[in-house]
Amino acid sequence: SAVISQKPSRDICQRGTSLTIQCQVDSQVTMMFWYRQQPGQSLTLIATANQGSEATYESGFVIDKFPISRPNLTFSTLTVSNMSPEDSSIYLCSVEDRSRAGGVTDTQYFGPGTRLTVL
Amino acid sequence: AQSVTQPDIHITVSEGASLELRCNYSYGATPYLFWYVQSPGQGLQLLLKYFSGDTLVQGIKGFEAEFKRSQSSFNLRKPSVHWSDAAEYFCAVGAHTGRRALTFGSGTRLQVQP
Repeated sequence: SAVISQKPSRDICQRGTSLTIQCQVDSQVTMMFWYRQQPGQSLTLIATANQGSEATYESGFVIDKFPISRPNLTFSTLTVSNMSPEDSSIYLCSVEDRSRAGGVTDTQYFGPGTRLTVL
Repeated sequence: AQSVTQPDIHITVSEGASLELRCNYSYGATPYLFWYVQSPGQGLQLLLKYFSGDTLVQGIKGFEAEFKRSQSSFNLRKPSVHWSDAAEYFCAVGAHTGRRALTFGSGTRLQVQP
């Protein structure tokens, strides 16, 4: 399975500032996803990031607030812009690990998450 | 649209007792189904998955789950719970085609009493 790392693991930020979260994978993957987990809640998809194309955002999430970069097949960043206390969440990166036979495994693996607190 | 329901928000069991966590899904075709576990302050770890074939799937840490199409369920079971199993458990559904991201249930928090 793919091994995923995220930086930073946690941060405390001031209202109005921005934070960029990095996601690094140890193998090349086509699809990467960014999820948000608000305190005591389940995971909600923010966007899907494919290399070489614009990220696809879910309803309720916009590029100006959550710009995403995907410069290559092993790396992505998510920026949380103009933060407010409501952005305090765990942000998780995940990747779809497809079987070598092609398209059968379709299993998603998750990074350890970035715990963000906005004051 | 796909959806997942985990009816139990919080479950408490005694160490050594059996465990069953419920998961019901809504999806138009045969889904991909997953169970993940999240320990406090940790990311999500995959416990097991169902894609096709045998409806009883074995996972890590002694967990198993059974896919029941007629009931649209994918319940997670463990015959004997250990204190280290205390965590949040998430059921998720994925699509074979199209939208690739997972849809998660609201989670079940498991507490284990000594």
